[in-house]
Amino acid sequence: DAGITQSPRHKVTETGTPVTLRCHQTENHRYMYWYRQDPGHGLRLIHYSYGVKDTDKGEVSDGYSVSRSKTEDFLLTLESATSSQTSVYFCAITGPPKGELFFGEGSRLTVL
Amino acid sequence: KNEVEQSPQNLTAQEGEFITINCSYSVGISALHWLQQHPGGGIVSLFMLSSGKKKHGRLIATINIQEKHSSLHITASHPRDSAVYICAVYSTGNQFYFGTGTSLTVIP
Repeated sequence: DAGITQSPRHKVTETGTPVTLRCHQTENHRYMYWYRQDPGHGLRLIHYSYGVKDTDKGEVSDGYSVSRSKTEDFLLTLESATSSQTSVYFCAITGPPKGELFFGEGSRLTVL
Repeated sequence: KNEVEQSPQNLTAQEGEFITINCSYSVGISALHWLQQHPGGGIVSLFMLSSGKKKHGRLIATINIQEKHSSLHITASHPRDSAVYICAVYSTGNQFYFGTGTSLTVIP
């Protein structure tokens, strides 16, 4: 199993508060992704990173920011959480070999 | 427009039945994954395919690159196979695209 962990695993917060989710990997892989999973929508890409300080937006990036100051850590921040951001968030890393895919355990976020 | 389409969305089977889940995609790919997610659980890759066929225990995955189609087969299904199965493709543009999943319930 790939060494990829997410924290926190569960969080309940109130609308308007900032939230940061952390993804930590021990595999030294370049590519890291943040997805959200919602019923009826499947997995949707929020942001991704191809290396330290190299990040880009995915299809549902509004309201989210990311940072990657070290290879092993990819942070997802909700600057001001809204109820529409209630979801399960998954971090993923890829390869090698190219295209191999590993997920973190998921972080369940509830915004009241 | 969905780059990855799966069918069926929901599937109920009796224990022991042979099960097939289908996946069609519209982008050029480097690899295709079949993922498994148990209720409330994490997501794991069962198979990564770029051609042909792979087998792991009772699970078989096939891919036809020319037809842009893949199937996941479960032989002699068991209640512990109950999960959501997700088809994911890794495109030649280095992006992943996911199907919305097939929810499988196997009844004892």
